Amino acid sequence: GAVVSQHPSWVICKSGTSVKIECRSLDFQATTMFWYRQFPKQSLMLMATSNEGSKATYEQGVEKDKFLINHASLTLSTLTVTSAHPEDSSFYICSARSWGADGYTFGSGTRLTVV
Amino acid sequence: AQKVTQAQTEISVVEKEDVTLDCVYETRDTTYYLFWYKQPPSGELVFLIRRNSFDEQNEISGRYSWNFQKSTSSFNFTITASQVVDSAVYFCALSEASGNQFYFGTGTSLTVIP
Repeated sequence: GAVVSQHPSWVICKSGTSVKIECRSLDFQATTMFWYRQFPKQSLMLMATSNEGSKATYEQGVEKDKFLINHASLTLSTLTVTSAHPEDSSFYICSARSWGADGYTFGSGTRLTVV
Repeated sequence: AQKVTQAQTEISVVEKEDVTLDCVYETRDTTYYLFWYKQPPSGELVFLIRRNSFDEQNEISGRYSWNFQKSTSSFNFTITASQVVDSAVYFCALSEASGNQFYFGTGTSLTVIP
């Protein structure tokens, strides 16, 4: 089935540093990918929609200069959390439109802890 | 306006009991899709079912069953003879044909006690 590989699965970084999260579609081309954030015991909230070859579309309240999204190819989208702070600690998960049974394929998520 | 409402925040049942997770949605689209996902403690989302708005047939898959009722905008999920491995957070979600994104409910945390 359609697979989206997300790395790393977890990361701990120091406050003020940047962290890059990658999502790759392994067996299909993903012109559009979605990035979600999930705080503990909360739902998944869409942060941005990433389109191959163009600028990402950010949801209201999401700082585009802080959460840099690059979708340079049909199989790779990256989310970079710049100048991370403890309040950015969260679970980040990507998804892409696919031919899977649900029409979407989710990555396995990245648990970010900023200390 | 919230698109998907899961009123049950946490549910605990004893193993082998049946449990129903409620989901109520809101949309103006006539074409839309409803989903249920399971999120175990490891975090990944496990796809359970997708239903389109034109298909109101209920579905059964093993111990899982889903009841879709457009008249009440509900898409409830029942686990029969629950097992400890069913313990997870379950999300109901809506995707409208007019857009790309998912609207997730707030999730229901299910604990099955042995």
